[in-house]
Amino acid sequence: SQQGEEDPQALSIQEGENATMNCSYKTSINNLQWYRQNSGRGLVHLILIRSNEREKHSGRLRVTLDTSKKSSSLLITASRAADTASYFCAFPAQGGSEKLVFGKGTKLTVNP
Amino acid sequence: EADIYQTPRYLVIGTGKKITLECSQTMGHDKMYWYQQDPGMELHLIHYSYGVNSTEKGDLSSESTVSRIRTEHFPLTLESARPSHTSQYLCASSEFEGSISEAFFGQGTRLTVV
Repeated sequence: SQQGEEDPQALSIQEGENATMNCSYKTSINNLQWYRQNSGRGLVHLILIRSNEREKHSGRLRVTLDTSKKSSSLLITASRAADTASYFCAFPAQGGSEKLVFGKGTKLTVNP
Repeated sequence: EADIYQTPRYLVIGTGKKITLECSQTMGHDKMYWYQQDPGMELHLIHYSYGVNSTEKGDLSSESTVSRIRTEHFPLTLESARPSHTSQYLCASSEFEGSISEAFFGQGTRLTVV
């Protein structure tokens, strides 16, 4: 399968804690993206990291990319109840392919 | 906020009916996608388009068809709906800058075939 694998599948934490989600993929890629999906809604783009970058920050989000291990992680610091959602990694299907495929997602619950 | 719209948001329809799910974007994006997603599950690419008159099947086999006659419009049609088609359908678009561009998603159409 060209789909990515994410872990954990589900994560439950308390407000204020940090949440870390991991994504692994199989092919060579030139970028990897993270998206958020609130229940039953469309996806919203969070951050994009290129293959020549190792780490990227956006507000409370920190993304890392290890192309040698074909893996990426998304860290949400100081989580809030409003961060409760599913988080997906996405990447080109094959190298520079135009097709964007998604991982299986991590369902994050942040308890007040 | 993304300017990509899907209609209807919810649709309940009987088996055997023909349906068209609408997707329109006002951003002038060349690339458009249709994904199928069961509740709480991963997204599967079922159709994509690089531009007008360009459509291709995605990774997940689907009995639906698509057309791209205008840049802004990418409708998906099911000629004869079946209960197995019950799912959420998400439309997305992105700029044609090689493969490095974020995708913008519509709110989705939740289809139930009874």
